[in-house]
Amino acid sequence: QQQVKQSPQSLIVQKGGISIINCAYENTAFDYFPWYQQFPGKGPALLIAIRPDVSEKKEGRFTISFNKSAKQFSLHIMDSQPGDSATYFCAARGNTGTASKLTFGTGTRLQVTL
Amino acid sequence: ETGVTQSPTHLIKTRGQQVTLRCSSQSGHNTVSWYQQALGQGPQFIFQYYREEENGRGNFPPRFSGLQFPNYSSELNVNALELDDSALYLCASSLPGLGSYEQYFGPGTRLTVT
Repeated sequence: QQQVKQSPQSLIVQKGGISIINCAYENTAFDYFPWYQQFPGKGPALLIAIRPDVSEKKEGRFTISFNKSAKQFSLHIMDSQPGDSATYFCAARGNTGTASKLTFGTGTRLQVTL
Repeated sequence: ETGVTQSPTHLIKTRGQQVTLRCSSQSGHNTVSWYQQALGQGPQFIFQYYREEENGRGNFPPRFSGLQFPNYSSELNVNALELDDSALYLCASSLPGLGSYEQYFGPGTRLTVT
């Protein structure tokens, strides 16, 4: 059962534009929502994260918007750059046993063109 | 401060064989999680180790097993390899406790089963 749905699957944005990636979750027990950036052949790198008691978090050009009632959250990349071209994953944290487990979306491949 | 490291980088095995993958956690992190990332998919949680014990497992069969050592490093063992086990295996380390949510990933081990 997929508990975190991510869209779009791929995204092409011009340099300087805004990239927007959306995620929706089902499990209301999730309590932490990170975004990861992954380049080919590399492991995911933590980009930015938010907790459900906050509606927005901004770090540099990256902003997470969180809508708890709709069970949705999104990543906005302002002034997108070619170096931002990567695959982005949203995730949600829950518990299994006493373990802290991340459930990931299926990823969005972002291409920023010149 | 060193990040999460994994070895080997790449590995090719034959169906039915056994494999051991290794992970060294980030300095000060005593919790290690393992994830499987199939091509074009998000990482899937395998299990987590804390204080040398497994404290949570995802939907993976018992032929996936692990160890954690007193220095917090960890191993993932997979027996009776199947073709579908071909994937990128990721290790993530984190601090323990309910107040710590960030998981930091290593570069992964690419396993190919032929």
